[in-house]
Amino acid sequence: DQQVKQNSPSLSVQEGRISILNCDYTNSMFDYFLWYKKYPAEGPTFLISISSIKDKNEDGRFTVFLNKSAKHLSLHIVPSQPGDSAVYFCAASSQGAQKLVFGQGTRLTINP
Amino acid sequence: SAVISQKPSRDICQRGTSLTIQCQVDSQVTMMFWYRQQPGQSLTLIATANQGSEATYESGFVIDKFPISRPNLTFSTLTVSNMSPEDSSIYLCSVGHLPNTEAFFGQGTRLTVV
Repeated sequence: DQQVKQNSPSLSVQEGRISILNCDYTNSMFDYFLWYKKYPAEGPTFLISISSIKDKNEDGRFTVFLNKSAKHLSLHIVPSQPGDSAVYFCAASSQGAQKLVFGQGTRLTINP
Repeated sequence: SAVISQKPSRDICQRGTSLTIQCQVDSQVTMMFWYRQQPGQSLTLIATANQGSEATYESGFVIDKFPISRPNLTFSTLTVSNMSPEDSSIYLCSVGHLPNTEAFFGQGTRLTVV
């Protein structure tokens, strides 16, 4: 039972353009959502989060959008930079618990 | 934020043996967790490490296979017991402070069982 799904295993974007990573969830109890970036041989690094009481959160080049009715969230990176090339994980939690349910990850490649 | 140190960073172990992974945090934290990332897969929660009491395991994970200790608010260990090649994974320690805030991860321990 995959409660958090990232249906695109990989995404390739040209440098300077917008990268859009998508995530769907099935558990309506999830109320807090996070995006992590992971480089090889490193642990996941927190990027940005959003509470279910919001539909958008922005931090510099990163914006997360939440559509609760569709149980869908997306991460926008603009402009994309070569250093953004990594695996991106969507994660969710419920009721204040900090244990996370992760999606499968999307490998983002930024091409010069 | 928190600085999390995991040891070892990687190891190659013989089947049937056990490996203990250490997680040290530079500050006291409320919550500590252990995750596993099997090759090509997502991160899966193994258990919540509870200070001074038995860990809380997720479905599919048992104490006999993955005993966990948490003697204080800055340190925890995960042991992978009686290893088989299927245990080859990255094991990650994670910590958190407050509800609905981000969790932080160590760099992970890459385990290969031969």
